[in-house]
Amino acid sequence: DQQVKQNSPSLSVQEGRISILNCDYTNSMFDYFLWYKKYPAEGPTFLISISSIKDKNEDGRFTVFLNKSAKHLSLHIVPSQPGDSAVYFCAAPPPQGGSEKLVFGKGTKLTVNP
Amino acid sequence: DSGVTQTPKHLITATGQRVTLRCSPRSGDLSVYWYQQSLDQGLQFLIQYYNGEERAKGNILERFSAQQFPDLHSELNLSSLELGDSALYFCASSDVNTGELFFGEGSRLTVL
Repeated sequence: DQQVKQNSPSLSVQEGRISILNCDYTNSMFDYFLWYKKYPAEGPTFLISISSIKDKNEDGRFTVFLNKSAKHLSLHIVPSQPGDSAVYFCAAPPPQGGSEKLVFGKGTKLTVNP
Repeated sequence: DSGVTQTPKHLITATGQRVTLRCSPRSGDLSVYWYQQSLDQGLQFLIQYYNGEERAKGNILERFSAQQFPDLHSELNLSSLELGDSALYFCASSDVNTGELFFGEGSRLTVL
């Protein structure tokens, strides 16, 4: 049962344009969401997070939007840069608490073309 | 560099064999987590240790086991290996203050 779903395995955008990565979740009890970024041959690294009490969190070129009624969040990268090419994972800690059991999506591979 | 060290980086073995993956957490981190990333799956949480004791268990098979030693390094033991065990195995440790996870570079296991 995939509680966190990233339905697009890949996305390709041009440098300078906006990248939008989507994530859907099924458990309405999730109250915190994280995005991780993973380069080849490296482990995932934390990128940005959002609490369910907010609908938007911005950090430089990265903005995460949360639509609780739709159980949907998205990561916007603008402007996209070639160095942003990586796999992006959406994740949520389970309602019973504990970041140790983060539930991850399958990831979306972003390619930013120069 | 996350500060989490995993060895080996790559491992090729045959079905039925047993392997051990090793992880050293960041200095000062007490928790170690193991995750599996298969080709068609996201990161799946396997198990967590905190200061030498098992803290949480996820989707870990009975053929797999782990432990954390007094120096806080951890080992993940995979036995009776099957083709489907081929995956990337990540170790992570968490900051004791913020809880943020820091991942190692992973160990790629290929079972032939």
